[in-house]
Amino acid sequence: DAGVIQSPRHEVTEMGQEVTLRCKPISGHNSLFWYRQTMMRGLELLIYFNNNVPIDDSGMPEDRFSAKMPNASFSTLKIQPSEPRDSAVYFCASNAGLRIGTDTQYFGPGTRLTVL
Amino acid sequence: ELKVEQNPLFLSMQEGKNYTIYCNYSTTSDRLYWYRQDPGKSLESLFVLLSNGAVKQEGRLMASLDTKARLSTLHITAAVHDLSATYFCAVARNTGKLIFGQGTTLQVKP
Repeated sequence: DAGVIQSPRHEVTEMGQEVTLRCKPISGHNSLFWYRQTMMRGLELLIYFNNNVPIDDSGMPEDRFSAKMPNASFSTLKIQPSEPRDSAVYFCASNAGLRIGTDTQYFGPGTRLTVL
Repeated sequence: ELKVEQNPLFLSMQEGKNYTIYCNYSTTSDRLYWYRQDPGKSLESLFVLLSNGAVKQEGRLMASLDTKARLSTLHITAAVHDLSATYFCAVARNTGKLIFGQGTTLQVKP
């Protein structure tokens, strides 16, 4: 299996621009998680989906952030408009979700976002 | 609010030495995870601990869980340079979320 796939791997954009991050979970996994990692705040869960339905988005920092999962094999995290403080590494993870939260999460390689 | 605290946050040690990383959490949980992250890389799953007294070992790393004390430990035996990385513990909530500790950066010197 190819593992969790994220794109792009690196993104540099200017403040105010829209940014879309993409994730393909491991085939057969039905839970998907978006995380953000910074030196200051560590690893934070932004939102997670189970069977394509958002379960908890309490970690989404602002209305500028939105996430969708239109099908079992694809999810997007969008930031509009982007700000310099959004600069971070964004990870996507998935698990089999046999019971929510009771299986190991497998992380993608991450997207390093820099907002100038 | 569930809090997960690791200590130490940074550990520099000589090759061949033993050491322990501690992970304390504030409320009950049914699963605890350990992950490894190399610089600039993603997180890799090391261990899943499912119950009180659980012990898992892989090579020079051994993890244990004491749910009564709300404490997990990651013990390093005879450290080697290849173990240099950041180690995270994470505690599962019933809602499915993982709450991560701050991470412990381990530097093993020859």
